[in-house]
Amino acid sequence: DAEITQSPRHKITETGRQVTLACHQTWNHNNMFWYRQDLGHGLRLIHYSYGVQDTNKGEVSDGYSVSRSNTEDLPLTLESAASSQTSVYFCASSDLSTPGELFFGEGSRLTVL
Amino acid sequence: AQKITQTQPGMFVQEKEAVTLDCTYDTSDQSYGLFWYKQPSSGEMIFLIYQGSYDEQNATEGRYSLNFQKARKSANLVISASQLGDSAMYFCAMREVSGTYKYIFGTGTRLKVLA
Repeated sequence: DAEITQSPRHKITETGRQVTLACHQTWNHNNMFWYRQDLGHGLRLIHYSYGVQDTNKGEVSDGYSVSRSNTEDLPLTLESAASSQTSVYFCASSDLSTPGELFFGEGSRLTVL
Repeated sequence: AQKITQTQPGMFVQEKEAVTLDCTYDTSDQSYGLFWYKQPSSGEMIFLIYQGSYDEQNATEGRYSLNFQKARKSANLVISASQLGDSAMYFCAMREVSGTYKYIFGTGTRLKVLA
């Protein structure tokens, strides 16, 4: 079955370190998204991509970057982790069909100390 | 700009009763899609129901229905015959079909079903 997987599921890191969260989907979806979930804020869009070599900034992109070198993967990098980036991160993908719902990964819980 | 508003941070409902979770949205696009997701305590995001902006009928999926009032820009989720397993966080989301085709979410409503 097609799926979308994130790794690691849990990570603890220190302020200032670079962190990369992996996202791999086998749906063959062109659209991929990264969200962070924080209490009281719901899910906020960090970055998104509509295809290979395409990346776009979301509403909370500062301090994050992504790259899309193939259809399956959209890794999220925190260049220099900050305590404010402690959160649960969700990767998701979709296609252009109707309804075109988002398919989510299991989430990655990141703690920055 | 797109915006989703969920004004109920938390709600309680008695088992077997119906409950309505509110969602209002703002968009300048004529073509868009509205979604509801459920997030149980285990953390996964579960797609529940979809409504297209041009759909004339309200969407239904089992015990879930979407009360779509386009002129009022509201897309409330109705859960009939609540079950204990319905206790979860519920998110309303919108995707514009034209333009950037990105999905934005509300802040969520935490529903607790009481036995």
